[in-house]
Amino acid sequence: DTEVTQTPKHLVMGMTNKKSLKCEQHMGHRAMYWYKQKAKKPPELMFVYSYEKLSINESVPSRFSPECPNSSLLNLHLHALQPEDSALYLCASSTSGAGGDTQYFGPGTRLTVL
Amino acid sequence: EDQVTQSPEALRLQEGESSSLNCSYTVSGLRGLFWYRQDPGKGPEFLFTLYSAGEEKEKERLKATLTKKESFLHITAPKPEDSATYLCAVQWDQGGGNKLTFGTGTQLKVEL
Repeated sequence: DTEVTQTPKHLVMGMTNKKSLKCEQHMGHRAMYWYKQKAKKPPELMFVYSYEKLSINESVPSRFSPECPNSSLLNLHLHALQPEDSALYLCASSTSGAGGDTQYFGPGTRLTVL
Repeated sequence: EDQVTQSPEALRLQEGESSSLNCSYTVSGLRGLFWYRQDPGKGPEFLFTLYSAGEEKEKERLKATLTKKESFLHITAPKPEDSATYLCAVQWDQGGGNKLTFGTGTQLKVEL
């Protein structure tokens, strides 16, 4: 089983709202990732957690705040977003986070910021 | 300079008309090259991982190959359900460890 689940599927929020995206995997993977994908563009890496520790932050604005409560869960907390943050947010996981690891993606959360 | 380039950007095939998609890369110290399929509004679906030149992998109508400079995704006798965007991504020694760097994708449409 290579399933990564994400909730919610769709989210509409105002610029003053606080919301969270959730990601879960039960494959025993120890690395989890957040990507952002705009229309007609490839996914862009935002954050990497390896063994529950933040290992990569691709200079993402502080209005995005990741959290990894345990090895199976990954959250992305959103606050004071801008309309240009509207995108498909993808979660992925891999075995260990080592180079050459295959990353498995979830279905994504479609975020619209009004 | 783009590290990963995919061609063509879009490809229209008739059902049963075989073809190949190209992914060329300029990185050194390749750790892995990955192929994904993505349907509109959905997450990328993993297809293949290739690690070294000469490696080949197959799955149903798809076959992926790797050389020192590029990878091909061969589609044999495609069906309309193969219509999707195909993404290529690489990891390399100086590319941030496990960071995936994607190409811009090939949008494939297979018609009856």
